[in-house]
Amino acid sequence: AQSVTQPDIHITVSEGASLELRCNYSYGATPYLFWYVQSPGQGLQLLLKYFSGDTLVQGIKGFEAEFKRSQSSFNLRKPSVHWSDAAEYFCAVGALLTGNQFYFGTGTSLTVIP
Amino acid sequence: EPEVTQTPSHQVTQMGQEVILRCVPISNHLYFYWYRQILGQKVEFLVSFYNNEISEKSEIFDDQFSVERPDGSNFTLKIRSTKLEDSAMYFCASSDLGNEKLFFGSGTQLSVL
Repeated sequence: AQSVTQPDIHITVSEGASLELRCNYSYGATPYLFWYVQSPGQGLQLLLKYFSGDTLVQGIKGFEAEFKRSQSSFNLRKPSVHWSDAAEYFCAVGALLTGNQFYFGTGTSLTVIP
Repeated sequence: EPEVTQTPSHQVTQMGQEVILRCVPISNHLYFYWYRQILGQKVEFLVSFYNNEISEKSEIFDDQFSVERPDGSNFTLKIRSTKLEDSAMYFCASSDLGNEKLFFGSGTQLSVL
């Protein structure tokens, strides 16, 4: 069955520190992998996506993620966190077929302390 | 950047009432979706819509739910008789090439009393 696991419900980091948010997936077909960010009162904004090719993908706002097929993981990283990065982060996996659904993880809430 | 627009931002209704949540997808997009997020839980897929018909739906999307594209710009989600457990944030999304990139709206917070 398709699923996405984000083991960390809540993470607190200091501003300027590095960040890694974990994501593991289970998917029967070749996955498309995504990270979305949700700020309070806002919709879901796409940070980055992986379809194929280079397993290290760069996204907006200085985020990157690395696809590791052997570990079924797609962890999100940022070398230096800014206070404005405080938000909820969702990992998602989708199929190659159009119109198919995404499967979202439960999200990781990021708090940034000064 | 183009955006998906959802109205209203908040909707309060009595249990058993019908509600219609409205979405204006990005104009050249062909695929439309509804997702929901119950407070503290994951974002869940409800339904996808393409070429004026439902392409996929989840087990959540039962007979109480329906979707419609009444004109060339709007995409609506109707809940026929709301239940307390329908209280959630409902997100509309659209894309032009299926799953390649979904654009999400800012959501409608539905509260069923």
